[in-house]
Amino acid sequence: SAVISQKPSRDICQRGTSLTIQCQVDSQVTMMFWYRQQPGQSLTLIATANQGSEATYESGFVIDKFPISRPNLTFSTLTVSNMSPEDSSIYLCSVVGEQGGHQPQHFGDGTRLSIL
Amino acid sequence: GEDVEQSLFLSVREGDSSVINCTYTDSSSTYLYWYKQEPGAGLQLLTYIFSNMDMKQDQRLTVLLNKKDKHLSLRIADTQTGDSAIYFCAERNNQGGKLIFGQGTELSVKP
Repeated sequence: SAVISQKPSRDICQRGTSLTIQCQVDSQVTMMFWYRQQPGQSLTLIATANQGSEATYESGFVIDKFPISRPNLTFSTLTVSNMSPEDSSIYLCSVVGEQGGHQPQHFGDGTRLSIL
Repeated sequence: GEDVEQSLFLSVREGDSSVINCTYTDSSSTYLYWYKQEPGAGLQLLTYIFSNMDMKQDQRLTVLLNKKDKHLSLRIADTQTGDSAIYFCAERNNQGGKLIFGQGTELSVKP
């Protein structure tokens, strides 16, 4: 399966600032997703990152708060804007491979974000 | 709406079998997955099953699917302390491949 690298792995940020998280895959993938995992909670899909066009956001998530880029088939970024303590979470990138047939989603190790 | 439910905790003794259960509501689910999350780590795909199957075995792991009751289980044979983690059940629907996750079951393995 694809090797997924997320940067940074963790960060502590000040309220009101923004942070951009990078997701790099070692092979071309068809789909890339961004999930949030709040402390002690399950995963919630933020958006599907679309190559060369605007991301598709889930209910409750908006582009102004979580801008996403996907310039090519191996890279995507998620920005968490104007952060507040409620944004403290693990943010995970996941991908679906390019090979034919059913391809399950694989996840990166996540970015652990704390906002003071 | 779509919903996936799991019990929150399971404690077993080393060497015993563990059974983690999951129920889901979306009858159009195509695939169902089990992921493992160790402390401080991301999600590791353990196994998955297509919705027209009722069983899948992979080494120590056995997945059982009862599509009529929308019930999925993961059995871990000869559970080891290294199996201690949170296990997430997830369903994939037909709309864009989106995954819906359960709350996760924390498995504790005692020596």
